[in-house]
Amino acid sequence: NAGVTQTPKFRVLKTGQSMTLLCAQDMNHEYMYWYRQDPGMGLRLIHYSVGEGTTAKGEVPDGYNVSRLKKQNFLLGLESAAPSQTSVYFCASSPGTGRTGDTEAFFGQGTRLTVV
Amino acid sequence: GIQVEQSPPDLILQEGANSTLRCNFSDSVNNLQWFHQNPWGQLINLFYIPSGTKQNGRLSATTVATERYSLLYISSSQTTDSGVYFCAVLRDAGGTSYGKLTFGQGTILTVHP
Repeated sequence: NAGVTQTPKFRVLKTGQSMTLLCAQDMNHEYMYWYRQDPGMGLRLIHYSVGEGTTAKGEVPDGYNVSRLKKQNFLLGLESAAPSQTSVYFCASSPGTGRTGDTEAFFGQGTRLTVV
Repeated sequence: GIQVEQSPPDLILQEGANSTLRCNFSDSVNNLQWFHQNPWGQLINLFYIPSGTKQNGRLSATTVATERYSLLYISSSQTTDSGVYFCAVLRDAGGTSYGKLTFGQGTILTVHP
């Protein structure tokens, strides 16, 4: 049982380049999330999904797009990377059953992205 | 939105010492989790504790939901406990939160041998 897996683990981009980060979970969770972590700060929510085919904006969505074509995968895209997007990106999932107490989130290992 | 404050921001210990980390939040919550981010950057789930007390080995946590705080206790600290400890909360007013967590800024723990 791998849990939440992110690829790649590291990436360096030039300003203006595009890339896609992939998140895969094998826990059959409904909800998935993308967060970013900047130095000295906690994680902030970029986008999230409450089920296959759905996406919604979080706290800091500008400059990112997402897609959830399959329940187990959640993709984060940067169309034109900027230095301000240098960060560590975390994907997470939670059951989303709606049952009280069933909201524990599990995180991937992170992707360290540098935009130069 | 809900505010989450962690204290202290930094903590330096000698191996074997005990410590208490605190998480204050500004409103009632449905979920509270403690995470350890190890030096390799991985976020490890420590506790899912919206209320009450839980223990796991040398670590234990207590959440007093009515007073809006949670405490993480680390006993007999080891160098492998070093890293950043995050508290994250979920406030689900009206069932529209969809599990979205709000994080504190973390406590950086350094344990020296």
